[in-house]
Amino acid sequence: DGGITQSPKYLFRKEGQNVTLSCEQNLNHDAMYWYRQDPGQGLRLIYYSQIVNDFQKGDIAEGYSVSREKKESFPLTVTSAQKNPTAFYLCASKKRQGPGRGVPEAFFGQGTRLTVV
Amino acid sequence: QKEVEQNSGPLSVPEGAIASLNCTYSDRGSQSFFWYRQYSGKSPELIMFIYSNGDKEDGRFTAQLNKASQYVSLLIRDSQPSDSATYLCAVNVPGNQFYFGTGTSLTVIP
Repeated sequence: DGGITQSPKYLFRKEGQNVTLSCEQNLNHDAMYWYRQDPGQGLRLIYYSQIVNDFQKGDIAEGYSVSREKKESFPLTVTSAQKNPTAFYLCASKKRQGPGRGVPEAFFGQGTRLTVV
Repeated sequence: QKEVEQNSGPLSVPEGAIASLNCTYSDRGSQSFFWYRQYSGKSPELIMFIYSNGDKEDGRFTAQLNKASQYVSLLIRDSQPSDSATYLCAVNVPGNQFYFGTGTSLTVIP
């Protein structure tokens, strides 16, 4: 079955440590996104990528980095520069909008809950 | 100005009533509009998608789009306790960026 997979489900980070969140999709989608969600809040865009080897900053990119070496994969690294990283992180992928392409909805992974210890 | 704005609520309605959720967006070039439902601790799931002016109905859900007013809404008829969740409005803007509002928390009271 096609889908989008995030791992791990729970992640604990020590102060000053970099951690990487995995996101893999087998939906053949071009676009992939990373969002951060804080308790009682909506989704804030961290980074997005339209195509392999290209990505753009979203609204809250500071302290985060990404790569897009393969169409299927879009890992997010939370660096030590991110001072308040505790949050729920969601990865999404989406097909392009256009005639005959169907509904361009975003599909989400199950999320990674990151906690600083 | 945020790309997408929603009334964060919380919104409470009695079981069987109509719940009305509203969303405005800032980019006039926005092409498509989505309503997602998110249960606590879970990922969002798509409820409705609309891209042309007017109403779109799917079961108990109706999405309404008014591009001139940059306004999109979601009506939930015959609300059920299982509809209690956070509803997120999302907008696909030019450049294929995909922005979400802050969400509206809905509680349906039995």
